[in-house]
Amino acid sequence: QKEVEQDPGPLSVPEGAIVSLNCTYSNSAFQYFMWYRQYSRKGPELLMYTYSSGNKEDGRFTAQVDKSSKYISLFIRDSQPSDSATYLCAMSYYGQNFVFGPGTRLSVLP
Amino acid sequence: EAGVAQSPRYKIIEKRQSVAFWCNPISGHATLYWYQQILGQGPKLLIQFQNNGVVDDSQLPKDRFSAERLKGVDSTLKIQPAKLEDSAVYLCASSSSGRGAEPQHFGDGTRLSIL
Repeated sequence: QKEVEQDPGPLSVPEGAIVSLNCTYSNSAFQYFMWYRQYSRKGPELLMYTYSSGNKEDGRFTAQVDKSSKYISLFIRDSQPSDSATYLCAMSYYGQNFVFGPGTRLSVLP
Repeated sequence: EAGVAQSPRYKIIEKRQSVAFWCNPISGHATLYWYQQILGQGPKLLIQFQNNGVVDDSQLPKDRFSAERLKGVDSTLKIQPAKLEDSAVYLCASSSSGRGAEPQHFGDGTRLSIL
């Protein structure tokens, strides 16, 4: 079993749709959970981060962490063509041991 | 604020040759990371520096990869000798202190192709 799993997609949605992206993980020691967006030929860009379980909202983005199920989600409301990118989940403990998921490719169609 | 700078952007070498990548983190950032991202995969942490000391290098193939961060600022990552499976994008990132979930700021990477 891989340490972090993520559906690779590609996921195609129409503009304005709500997008749900998910990751599962196996190591219960992870404390910090992050979502990055990566455009083609660019470095990852941090979108959201949360500590332990709970929800966090920032504009059109909402991150959820359920540590009991080892499951994290990112929701994107009112999706835009500019949201088309690869979305990477990442997690760590004690400020190190960073592990990334393989990424989900998202296409938002105008 | 200037971002993380990496050079070169692209490098093509033959297997068994050596190659070096350079990273200049955001000014004042104490923590520097090197990642390897193979096509279609997420970044894999190779090494993490806190100032000029190594925090985590558990996934660095030390028989061929080496990294240093002199004076706690710039860093270089070297591969010697290169293998075909080293073809990847090498990403450098930095964060202000490396504690908790402080944002890691990434450069755009060096794309390495091994022939």
